[in-house]
Amino acid sequence: GQSLEQPSEVTAVEGAIVQINCTYQTSGFYGLSWYQQHDGGAPTFLSYNALDGLEETGRFSSFLSRSDSYGYLLLQELQMKDSASYFCAVRDDYGGSQGNLIFGKGTKLSVKP
Amino acid sequence: NAGVTQTPKFRILKIGQSMTLQCTQDMNHNYMYWYRQDPGMGLKLIYYSVGAGITDKGEVPNGYNVSRSTTEDFPLRLELAAPSQTSVYFCASSFSGEGSYEQYFGPGTRLTVT
Repeated sequence: GQSLEQPSEVTAVEGAIVQINCTYQTSGFYGLSWYQQHDGGAPTFLSYNALDGLEETGRFSSFLSRSDSYGYLLLQELQMKDSASYFCAVRDDYGGSQGNLIFGKGTKLSVKP
Repeated sequence: NAGVTQTPKFRILKIGQSMTLQCTQDMNHNYMYWYRQDPGMGLKLIYYSVGAGITDKGEVPNGYNVSRSTTEDFPLRLELAAPSQTSVYFCASSFSGEGSYEQYFGPGTRLTVT
């Protein structure tokens, strides 16, 4: 079966660093995406890793290890507005389209003052 | 660019009723998707389309139908609504193939079936 595992909740304080892990088991794999979703809002794209290593985009970084079927999202200098749910998603070849994403259940990040 | 738009934003249906959720994108994306999101859960793929005239089932297609007559529009039809279809529905679009890792989502439709 296909599965993605990530922690359900994480709490951190403003200004801190937090890491959200994601392990996956899927039939195909083209890359790992991360999405942010505020309560009541739509998911928005944050980052993507197709190859092993670290990708940095401002305060956010994402890491992938294909051999370990593992990735993480690193959020630095946390701000209150970072309180949201974060989803990892594997780009799979589901249905043969090479375009479909399989989403994890999400990690709810709460940033405290 | 309006991006991905969805209508309606909210809807309450009685069991057995039918409705169509509308989705339009103005980014000239070939790929479009319909997801449902239940409380505290991730997104599950209902149907997807890789271009006008081409649709295929996702993970949870039962109780739904789609069509894709144009690049811009991808409506989702619910026939004989059931309480299990109470959910938030998101439409999304993306570039093809390699570019599909970045999907653009509409604001969602919150559907309650009672």
